[in-house]
Amino acid sequence: QSVLTQPPSASGTPGQRVTISCSGSSSNIGSNTVNWYQHLPGTAPKLLIYKNNQRPSGVPDRFSGSKSGTSASLAISGLQSEDEADYYCAVWDDSLNGWVFGGGTKLTVL
Amino acid sequence: QVQLVESGGGVVQPGRSLRLSCAASGFTFSSYAMHWVRQAPGKGLEWVAVMSYDGSNKYYADSVKGRFTISRDNSENTLYLQMNSLRAEDTAVYYCARETTWMAATEYWGQGTLVTVSS
Repeated sequence: QSVLTQPPSASGTPGQRVTISCSGSSSNIGSNTVNWYQHLPGTAPKLLIYKNNQRPSGVPDRFSGSKSGTSASLAISGLQSEDEADYYCAVWDDSLNGWVFGGGTKLTVL
Repeated sequence: QVQLVESGGGVVQPGRSLRLSCAASGFTFSSYAMHWVRQAPGKGLEWVAVMSYDGSNKYYADSVKGRFTISRDNSENTLYLQMNSLRAEDTAVYYCARETTWMAATEYWGQGTLVTVSS
């Protein structure tokens, strides 16, 4: 059971906008910045968003992140079939003195 | 370009030890904090450990504290994970990852190495 709560699944049709939530607490999201990763099984995870809402070079602007209080969200607009993957939030936890990942959300493009 | 290549995975009996390595290239290894992250079969990503650029600070997940040790050799551009007292629940693909300091995020990841703990 992760200290960060994500919905286990999400879905959308091509072109739609979907959001994935990540709920934490004052010791993690409430006091530190959130990162988001895209992961296809068998491959290396890919950093999508860092510091709540910043995109690394090469990540399409269809991906955006936000944070409010002890929750964060990843939004994907103009959904494409290649977006079908697992998505994880991650943040440093001051109480645990370590990084924590959310449980992951499996995105299905219908 | 940044490359991280893990090695050392395999099948090991419960209670035994294994050491993973992560060979880094394409960047100044001694300038970056490095992480180990794992994914058990059918499960999500789980952070394991991090070591600062100079080895002076290290932190562990509670699930491995006291059993796993992260270390690095900056002269060899290599990160290690010594895993002792292995349990079935340690079975996972283990990834090493480089933290990009100004991002406060692990920007580069290796392809992973599989560790299977089974009798």
